[in-house]
Amino acid sequence: NAGVTQTPKFQVLKTGQSMTLQCAQDMNHEYMSWYRQDPGMGLRLIHYSVGAGITDQGEVPNGYNVSRSTTEDFPLRLLSAAPSQTSVYFCASSYRTGGNTIYFGEGSWLTVV
Amino acid sequence: AQKVTQAQTEISVVEKEDVTLDCVYETRDTTYYLFWYKQPPSGELVFLIRRNSFDEQNEISGRYSWNFQKSTSSFNFTITASQVVDSAVYFCALKENRDDKIIFGKGTRLHILP
Repeated sequence: NAGVTQTPKFQVLKTGQSMTLQCAQDMNHEYMSWYRQDPGMGLRLIHYSVGAGITDQGEVPNGYNVSRSTTEDFPLRLLSAAPSQTSVYFCASSYRTGGNTIYFGEGSWLTVV
Repeated sequence: AQKVTQAQTEISVVEKEDVTLDCVYETRDTTYYLFWYKQPPSGELVFLIRRNSFDEQNEISGRYSWNFQKSTSSFNFTITASQVVDSAVYFCALKENRDDKIIFGKGTRLHILP
């Protein structure tokens, strides 16, 4: 069972570089989201989507772009990486209605130098 | 706006002691869902429990139990007879029925000392 797959697992970027974190799920979930985890800050929602073609901002959207062209994929783009974006990133998905279980990817460790 | 507060940043207890992790939430919705997740040192996020706002029954699963009290907007998690393997960061989360966002608290880091 693939579940939620994130790539890459580890990445080092230089300030100003761009990159895309990939997220794919094979459970036909409508809801997908990206969180970042920083020490003492918990999991903070960056962007989320409730279906193909629909995205919305979370708690900390600045510096990140997303798109949802298919149900399966929800990539997170850093257009010009900054050291403040050094973090662990988690992609998550669930069925949209009600309080369905949220499934997480394994995380992507990003360092911006 | 929805909010989840986990006031305990870090807790240390000796193995076999009981420990309670607190979670207080804020919402204006009458229908909502609460979750607990565990993040062991390996880093993955493991689902523990989901509770909807209409079900105030306490739940027990082995050494784990959850106390949901709407009157105090709390959804506390108790580990009985703690074990070293319980050492992890525990997150509480909230989803309102009228919104699609799922918001997490800052987490409580639990150390179980042998």
